[in-house]
Amino acid sequence: DGGITQSPKYLFRKEGQNVTLSCEQNLNHDAMYWYRQDPGQGLRLIYYSQIVNDFQKGDIAEGYSVSREKKESFPLTVTSAQKNPTAFYLCASSRDWATNEKLFFGSGTQLSVL
Amino acid sequence: SQQGEEDPQALSIQEGENATMNCSYKTSINNLQWYRQNSGRGLVHLILIRSNEREKHSGRLRVTLDTSKKSSSLLITASRAADTASYFCATYAGGGSNYKLTFGKGTLLTVNP
Repeated sequence: DGGITQSPKYLFRKEGQNVTLSCEQNLNHDAMYWYRQDPGQGLRLIYYSQIVNDFQKGDIAEGYSVSREKKESFPLTVTSAQKNPTAFYLCASSRDWATNEKLFFGSGTQLSVL
Repeated sequence: SQQGEEDPQALSIQEGENATMNCSYKTSINNLQWYRQNSGRGLVHLILIRSNEREKHSGRLRVTLDTSKKSSSLLITASRAADTASYFCATYAGGGSNYKLTFGKGTLLTVNP
């Protein structure tokens, strides 16, 4: 069953705490992405990775960090520097960066602050 | 910054009617894509139209693109209650190695049984 798996579905963060959102894909896609969605808003790009061991900042990277040590995995860490982290986080992948035919999305993680 | 802007923000229709959503954008694009999102879920790709295409069909979906007006429309014919969702347009644009997909804020479609 191919696709993108995000975990956990719900996550709560305490003040000053770093939390990590998991994203795994078995589609053999080179490119992976993290988006943030606020209520009634579109998606904003946090980070993207064109290939293993490489990643680039998106439009709202401050307060976030990522790694891409394996092709199938692209975890996102929300650091304590992100002062307004409450949002719905979506991970996506595409076959490659250059063609960008379409994105495949995970089912999302809802992050809330305690 | 938002590249694509959908109109209307919300649309409520009866089952069986057609639903039309519009998307306007600001800069030249490589392609434009439409996605659907059910509440609390991830997005699902519906259809992609390239800048040199004017119309595409997929089942009950029809997408048009007018690059001179920098606009696109998504038509869903014979709507069903299950079509209730948010619909987003996304534009793929940029230059060199700096291409990216930028999403609009979406249209919330409600189809009443």
